[in-house]
Amino acid sequence: SQELEQSPQSLIVQEGKNLTINCTSSKTLYGLYWYKQKYGEGLIFLMMLQKGGEEKSHEKITAKLDEKKQQSSLHITASQPSHAGIYLCGARPSGNTGKLIFGQGTTLQVKP
Amino acid sequence: NAGVTQTPKFQVLKTGQSMTLQCAQDMNHEYMSWYRQDPGMGLRLIHYSVGAGITDQGEVPNGYNVSRSTTEDFPLRLLSAAPSQTSVYFCASRSPTGNYGYTFGSGTRLTVV
Repeated sequence: SQELEQSPQSLIVQEGKNLTINCTSSKTLYGLYWYKQKYGEGLIFLMMLQKGGEEKSHEKITAKLDEKKQQSSLHITASQPSHAGIYLCGARPSGNTGKLIFGQGTTLQVKP
Repeated sequence: NAGVTQTPKFQVLKTGQSMTLQCAQDMNHEYMSWYRQDPGMGLRLIHYSVGAGITDQGEVPNGYNVSRSTTEDFPLRLLSAAPSQTSVYFCASRSPTGNYGYTFGSGTRLTVV
């Protein structure tokens, strides 16, 4: 079975600092999804990556998928308190487009 | 607003009781899934469906049943609730096409005592 490992598990940064969250798989990733969750709420879709080497940005958040499609990173530039929450990566196992599994999540706190 | 609707939002069950968590979407999405979220464990896939009449097991299916008689609805049944099923449950749906992810409901917080 495919497993997704996120690091770090938790992160505390000062407002204005940059940070990176990683998502690693033991197998090739087919469709890598990043979500954000605020405490007690549902998940908000951030972006999806499919091709090796692909990079996408939305506001101050940039996600990349490496060439081998086994690792993705989420980078936040000049963090703000609004960035606080849980970040989850999800991926589709090969050949099964209806199934999406997730890593264990990274909890981010941003200190003003 | 269009989206994924889960009911109830909160539920307390006694051990051994059964219940159904409801999930409905009005976006005509073919794919639907159920997840449970426990502290430090992210989201774990319980069951998923790629269309009406088609369901399959996810990572943690034991103790749960699903059916998909219509495109809109994907109920999750707890057959005999156990304290280990205390969790937050999320339903999600997605179209098979397009470069976007699953749309998630707001969750059901279930406590089994």
